[in-house]
Amino acid sequence: ETGVTQTPRHLVMGMTNKKSLKCEQHLGHNAMYWYKQSAKKPLELMFVYSLEERVENNSVPSRFSPECPNSSHLFLHLHTLQPEDSALYLCASSLGQGNNSPLHFGNGTRLTVT
Amino acid sequence: RKEVEQDPGPFNVPEGATVAFNCTYSNSASQSFFWYRQDCRKEPKLLMSVYSSGNEDGRFTAQLNRASQYISLLIRDSKLSDSATYLCVVNKGDSWGKLQFGAGTQVVVTP
Repeated sequence: ETGVTQTPRHLVMGMTNKKSLKCEQHLGHNAMYWYKQSAKKPLELMFVYSLEERVENNSVPSRFSPECPNSSHLFLHLHTLQPEDSALYLCASSLGQGNNSPLHFGNGTRLTVT
Repeated sequence: RKEVEQDPGPFNVPEGATVAFNCTYSNSASQSFFWYRQDCRKEPKLLMSVYSSGNEDGRFTAQLNRASQYISLLIRDSKLSDSATYLCVVNKGDSWGKLQFGAGTQVVVTP
């Protein structure tokens, strides 16, 4: 059982659709992250929030829009995606910024863009 | 040069044997190191942190070599359930402590 839950587990969307990914952590952590994992590639950091403030936007296209309403919840809003955006999207949390604490991952959303 | 580099494998290991593999990192300022395990189509899970003096957790031993900038993972008495991709994770050594992932080393334990 994971302390970080993500929904949905699977998502198929067309290029003109708008959808949102949801992440919730129950670990009392202060930092939350979105990562993208494409086949045979390292995890790519997309966004980092620390205490609900965005501290990192790793040159991610604007068709991906994060939202962090509080330290336990994180969303990734998707619109007008491209087929190359198909990947596993992982949410993670950690104790906080800069203290080298390990990440705890959710089970991911497998996204297919058609 | 990639910031974190791993041999993708696969390492095919008979059950009960020992397997070891390394991960090299490019940033000499890196201070924190981890091994994660990722099963097929699942999320990564923390296997162990890597400490300067080396550390062991059951059948798993992790070592850090700062001079040559690599970490290693050794698995003794391999089990079928050890089959997975092992991700090397290194912090970037900046004030933020952002983590950098390797692409993973695949281990396949065979009966």
